[in-house]
Amino acid sequence: GAVVSQHPSWVICKSGTSVKIECRSLDFQATTMFWYRQFPKQSLMLMATSNEGSKATYEQGVEKDKFLINHASLTLSTLTVTSAHPEDSSFYICSAREKGIKAFFGQGTRLTVV
Amino acid sequence: GNSVTQMEGPVTLSEEAFLTINCTYTATGYPSLFWYVQYPGEGLQLLLKATKADDKGSNKGFEATYRKETTSFHLEKGSVQVSDSAVYFCALSESAGNMLTFGGGTRLMVKP
Repeated sequence: GAVVSQHPSWVICKSGTSVKIECRSLDFQATTMFWYRQFPKQSLMLMATSNEGSKATYEQGVEKDKFLINHASLTLSTLTVTSAHPEDSSFYICSAREKGIKAFFGQGTRLTVV
Repeated sequence: GNSVTQMEGPVTLSEEAFLTINCTYTATGYPSLFWYVQYPGEGLQLLLKATKADDKGSNKGFEATYRKETTSFHLEKGSVQVSDSAVYFCALSESAGNMLTFGGGTRLMVKP
């Protein structure tokens, strides 16, 4: 089946620094990628949807300038958490979808900001 | 490690038919279990969840019961509608904030 690779699987960073998370579709072209965040004791929350070559569409309440999403190619999307703070510590997961086909999920990234 | 196995799709049903999508899991501890749904052109949405054995999650006519003895969390609905056509994902999480493990997804197609 299709594979989506997310990197890194975990990262610890200092408060005020930026962190980049990569999401790659390994054997298909992902026309759409979704970024999710999981808050403690809650389920996934959709942050944004990105289509290759266009700006991401952010969900209400998600700060565009803080969570930068780039979908520069059909196999790669990146999420950059800028000026990270402890409250940004969370589990982030991407999913990638080929046109008209179901989405596949990355392994997720656990971000800890200290 | 943890894993989730769900039935391969697509599942094609007529409107008002009974739906079952099987989901079984393996986990080292006592996970929480989830069903997520992805409608065409949209992102993932939580459909229902159960956090301990014998709990029943329910929403929009869908139900799933956490069966520890059979390590299963099968999704059921008594009468499906065309609007239920979507992809359904079973998932587990060992603890709050921990990694989610997803099944491969099952596409449901409901015909009028």
